[in-house]
Amino acid sequence: SQQGEEDPQALSIQEGENATMNCSYKTSINNLQWYRQNSGRGLVHLILIRSNEREKHSGRLRVTLDTSKKSSSLLITASRAADTASYFCATDAFGGTSYGKLTFGQGTILTVHP
Amino acid sequence: GAVVSQHPSRVICKSGTSVKIECRSLDFQATTMFWYRQFPKQSLMLMATSNEGSKATYEQGVEKDKFLINHASLTLSTLTVTSAHPEDSSFYICSARDRGGLSLHFGNGTRLTVT
Repeated sequence: SQQGEEDPQALSIQEGENATMNCSYKTSINNLQWYRQNSGRGLVHLILIRSNEREKHSGRLRVTLDTSKKSSSLLITASRAADTASYFCATDAFGGTSYGKLTFGQGTILTVHP
Repeated sequence: GAVVSQHPSRVICKSGTSVKIECRSLDFQATTMFWYRQFPKQSLMLMATSNEGSKATYEQGVEKDKFLINHASLTLSTLTVTSAHPEDSSFYICSARDRGGLSLHFGNGTRLTVT
């Protein structure tokens, strides 16, 4: 089953504005991760938040996690044109045969206009 | 940081031929590697989990005889698309997890076009 639904599917903003992307999931998780993908390239890990954490910061990135609502958000502050990319959330399921496998959401395509 | 190298980055082949894609962890040992497939503007779909020294674990609906995976060493996994068809055209991405790490390190992907 598809884990990790993201919205919006596409987001277009001006440089300097903040970008917020949301991710919802269905099953219990060990952690939730956000990745970035430039067009035609592999994914780059941005930030990881564990299931017992509620908020985490890394530079201009802020991630929140609400396990009661099974949702997470990624905020990019003071966006730059270089932030233009696709962003994916990925859930690391809890135990069983899914252990260690990440399931990716549909992604948000972010376009930052100079 | 951990680096995963994937080759080739692009390959064009004719229907019926086989294509091998390599995924190497350059500065760490990876007992487990993952192979994903991605269609344009879509998410990554996990195809299989490659385990060093043992058989790969395939996801439901993925033909193991068509997508052969070999993980012969702690730093190399290969995906061979056998008897390729145009519908196999896609972006294939490998990833590996560093021992004790929780995040994945990705290769830059392989764009496969079957004519």
